[in-house]
Amino acid sequence: ETGVTQSPTHLIKTRGQQVTLRCSSQSGHNTVSWYQQALGQGPQFIFQYYREEENGRGNFPPRFSGLQFPNYSSELNVNALELDDSALYLCASSLTRQETQYFGPGTRLLVL
Amino acid sequence: DQQVKQNSPSLSVQEGRISILNCDYTNSMFDYFLWYKKYPAEGPTFLISISSIKDKNEDGRFTVFLNKSAKHLSLHIVPSQPGDSAVYFCAAGSMRNAGKSTFGDGTTLTVKP
Repeated sequence: ETGVTQSPTHLIKTRGQQVTLRCSSQSGHNTVSWYQQALGQGPQFIFQYYREEENGRGNFPPRFSGLQFPNYSSELNVNALELDDSALYLCASSLTRQETQYFGPGTRLLVL
Repeated sequence: DQQVKQNSPSLSVQEGRISILNCDYTNSMFDYFLWYKKYPAEGPTFLISISSIKDKNEDGRFTVFLNKSAKHLSLHIVPSQPGDSAVYFCAAGSMRNAGKSTFGDGTTLTVKP
């Protein structure tokens, strides 16, 4: 059984650009949650997808959007990047919404 | 306003001794609490959880205690081992959906040989 993988591992963008981060869930996991972890802080919930539908959103603006595909892989898209978007972005998948989450290693985004 | 707080950014203990990591929360609606461990360059790994109907849950060397009246939980590691050195995150949320949990800012535990 493969774990949760994320790509790319690191990314540098400039203010105003758009970015897409990818997550491949563990096999059979129908739920994926995305988190933003700023330096020195804990992960902050962005949104969750369950069976390809958004299933809850944290306190993030609409320029943060996502997709979950039929194979349960997912994307996080961020438009109009701001300097404060620099962070580690984590995805976590689970078999169902109630089950244990398994995190990927994250994508570190730097916005200049 | 931070709903989950870990007031100690770091903790250092000797190998073999007990490590106690603390966490406070403010939202009475939380009914499920989790601890995660994070090594550098890896994602957080689930360690142990407790629901609000219990006040203690044990798993090997790890025990989590919940004091609902004080809105406080703690993680005890006995005995501590050098491999336990990591960042520990406390998280709180709903048993119906652990994926929407609110995390604290973490405590860096260092276990010295």
